[in-house]
Amino acid sequence: GDSVTQMEGPVTLSEEAFLTINCTYTATGYPSLFWYVQYPGEGLQLLLKATKADDKGSNKGFEATYRKETTSFHLEKGSVQVSDSAVYFCALSTNTGNQFYFGTGTSLTVIP
Amino acid sequence: EAGVAQSPRYKIIEKRQSVAFWCNPISGHATLYWYQQILGQGPKLLIQFQNNGVVDDSQLPKDRFSAERLKGVDSTLKIQPAKLEDSAVYLCASSYTSSGTHTFGSGTRLTVV
Repeated sequence: GDSVTQMEGPVTLSEEAFLTINCTYTATGYPSLFWYVQYPGEGLQLLLKATKADDKGSNKGFEATYRKETTSFHLEKGSVQVSDSAVYFCALSTNTGNQFYFGTGTSLTVIP
Repeated sequence: EAGVAQSPRYKIIEKRQSVAFWCNPISGHATLYWYQQILGQGPKLLIQFQNNGVVDDSQLPKDRFSAERLKGVDSTLKIQPAKLEDSAVYLCASSYTSSGTHTFGSGTRLTVV
């Protein structure tokens, strides 16, 4: 069945370091891909999305490119800040749009 | 626009008791979802509504969980009787269409003791 696999955390980085959080997916057809972020004590917020192959989603300095050939949607940021400390979830929506699958989440802590 | 509203924010109950959670989605969003997020895991879909009809409830433990969205707007999720393993955050989300981006509420943190 459809699923999302993302790298396990926790990840700890120093401020201004480069961030990569890996995400790969298994799906039939052409899913839409998402990154959600969950700050402490809050609900999930959409960070970025891509709906077709080679699309790049970007927001708040974060980027992810929908790679069909490698079935990946890795999250990157060139210079992280303390305020980026959160849990990041990769997710996919099936091409019928009726089902949504989340990865297990990757906790990121950025230290000054 | 107002976000997805959920209440209560926190709930502590004893096992075998019942509990209910309420969700009011974004106005105009036809699709409403309830997710269970156990600590350290990603959200798991419990039930999806399209207007007031159920689209997917394949992962809802129907012997103890029930949900309704009678007027196609707000929704209630109930657990009766609760078990220790039901301790989790229950997230409500809504979207304009079934393939649209989810907007999540802040969740209800349930602790069963």
